[in-house]
Amino acid sequence: EVQLLESGGGLVRPGGSLRLSCVASGFTFSKYDMHWIRQAPGKGLQWVSAVGVSGTGYSSDSVQGRFTISRDNSKNTLYLQMNSLRPEDTAVYYCAKDSLGETTYFDSWGQGTLVTVSS
Amino acid sequence: QSALTQPASVSGSPGQSITISCTGTSGDIGTYNVVSWYQQHPGKAPKLIIYDVSERPSGISYRFSGSKSGNTASLTISGLHAEDEADYYCCSFAGLKTFNVFGSGTKVSVL
Repeated sequence: EVQLLESGGGLVRPGGSLRLSCVASGFTFSKYDMHWIRQAPGKGLQWVSAVGVSGTGYSSDSVQGRFTISRDNSKNTLYLQMNSLRPEDTAVYYCAKDSLGETTYFDSWGQGTLVTVSS
Repeated sequence: QSALTQPASVSGSPGQSITISCTGTSGDIGTYNVVSWYQQHPGKAPKLIIYDVSERPSGISYRFSGSKSGNTASLTISGLHAEDEADYYCCSFAGLKTFNVFGSGTKVSVL
């Protein structure tokens, strides 16, 4: 059974930093692209970042230059380093597993970790 | 990149069929057959219910079906059940600059 367990969320002041982690189990982590997707309170889903099996990362314009996605295949762990945080970054952050095929869809999700950016 | 446009809410009675639209542009839905749909119950993580426009993952009821025409994708739920009451989101690939864009979300109510 695929399991994704996020951690690292919490309360941080504007301009601060936070690192999220997502420990994966139940599948061969190194073979799959992985994603971070967020949801602001009462709002819709927003794709944040993805990392390929080679370690190459991609991010949305809204976090480009502030957030860095990475992975450690030896630890089956996905990371999201978040710097220069803004109040609008407040959201539940989900890690999600991509499909093994050529198209992108998110077939498994973690339970999410809440990040609150406030003074 | 703006979110894909979905109706804020759709409702139906048990046993009825409903359709949720997801309107994008020629830069996303109109070009790529990479549309997926997610169901989210309150306080829960989203769950994949349709991928590649019309494919259902293992374990997802046949009552859920997807389609696409031009810049608009659609999710149809047939034979509505009470447990179908949830938020539904579409998602499309949007090229190698924007990557993935979600819809604004639709709240489905079962009357």
